[in-house]
Amino acid sequence: GQSLEQPSEVTAVEGAIVQINCTYQTSGFYGLSWYQQHDGGAPTFLSYNGLDGLEETGRFSSFLSRSDSYGYLLLQELQMKDSASYFCAVRRPDSNYQLIWGAGTKLIIKP
Amino acid sequence: GAVVSQHPSRVICKSGTSVKIECRSLDFQATTMFWYRQFPKQSLMLMATSNEGSKATYEQGVEKDKFLINHASLTLSTLTVTSAHPEDSSFYICSARLPGQGFTDTQYFGPGTRLTVL
Repeated sequence: GQSLEQPSEVTAVEGAIVQINCTYQTSGFYGLSWYQQHDGGAPTFLSYNGLDGLEETGRFSSFLSRSDSYGYLLLQELQMKDSASYFCAVRRPDSNYQLIWGAGTKLIIKP
Repeated sequence: GAVVSQHPSRVICKSGTSVKIECRSLDFQATTMFWYRQFPKQSLMLMATSNEGSKATYEQGVEKDKFLINHASLTLSTLTVTSAHPEDSSFYICSARLPGQGFTDTQYFGPGTRLTVL
């Protein structure tokens, strides 16, 4: 079957750097996506890694290692507004782009 | 671009009534939309995949007669919760995939609908 594991909660200090890990198990792999969701809001797309390596978008970066079935989201210069839940997701094999979601990591930022 | 709207944002209804939730892609045509349900502090649970012009594909365990999905146009999908009961109270979110985005799995989400059944 397909599954993703990520920590349930991570705490960091404003201005610091934090890494949220995601390991996945899937019979077919098309890439790893990351989404951010604030409390009461809808998820918003952050990044996608289809190939190994680092993708950078401003303060956020995402890394993928397909050989290790592992990826992470790196958030730099943390701001209070980054307090949210972060989900990793992979596409379900042989599907119409349906996503399988991790349980989500709640990022708590302290001043 | 790639804006998805959802209406209503919040609805409170009595047990036994039906509620319709609309999901619209405002600036693009979406051949495929997804409907999710999310309980507090939990992940998104895919309920069904809505395909324009054809029947929706439901996930295992989701009652198709209870959660009616209609995707009548390339910009509108509706989810009707029929004979709602308190256990149907949840946050319902739709999303759409942007056509022609290649192999990326980006989904654009509506703002969600919080349903409370009394």
